[in-house]
Amino acid sequence: AQTVTQSQPEMSVQEAETVTLSCTYDTSESDYYLFWYKQPPSRQMILVIRQEAYKQQNATENRFSVNFQKAAKSFSLKISDSQLGDAAMYFCAYRSSGGYQKVTFGTGTKLQVIP
Amino acid sequence: NAGVMQNPRHLVRRRGQEARLRCSPMKGHSHVYWYRQLPEEGLKFMVYLQKENIIDESGMPKERFSAEFPKEGPSILRIQQVVRGDSAAYFCASSPPKGSSTEQYFGPGTRLTVT
Repeated sequence: AQTVTQSQPEMSVQEAETVTLSCTYDTSESDYYLFWYKQPPSRQMILVIRQEAYKQQNATENRFSVNFQKAAKSFSLKISDSQLGDAAMYFCAYRSSGGYQKVTFGTGTKLQVIP
Repeated sequence: NAGVMQNPRHLVRRRGQEARLRCSPMKGHSHVYWYRQLPEEGLKFMVYLQKENIIDESGMPKERFSAEFPKEGPSILRIQQVVRGDSAAYFCASSPPKGSSTEQYFGPGTRLTVT
């Protein structure tokens, strides 16, 4: 079974600064997808960024980028130029590429943005 | 195209009552997933359904919980004889038929409180 580990329960960053959230995972599969979801106080799950394991290039979405290290099974999220609206819980998640789409989530990192 | 709809958004039940949570997938989506988020935790997979079929219920408690996705109408997650430990946010997600997308779209969740 796949597992996703987020070792930072809470993080804080100054507005306009950069922060990196860590995530490691365990799998025996070679092809899969990794995600970062944002959950603001409204509790809506918002997809931030997605990475296909077969792609070596790290995904980027505006101020959000990932550092995907397949051999190390590491998938960190970097948020540049942090904004107050970035404050939320962030969940790292894994999904197999084959079969159906059950997603396995980490326990989350609560990000605080300090004005 | 409306997103995934869940209702009610908030549900309060007394111990021993039944809770019915509804999920209407996005238009064209035939796959539905239910996840549970206990306080201060990540989302945990419960059940995966296609129209009129339960594909994987490995994450669902064996007793008191059931799910369905009829040919017509929303998917229903039913919890009988609720207990305090059932208090959680329940999220539904939907995806298109396999192969057409890797994306899973989440609804806003139903927060169940058992008093």
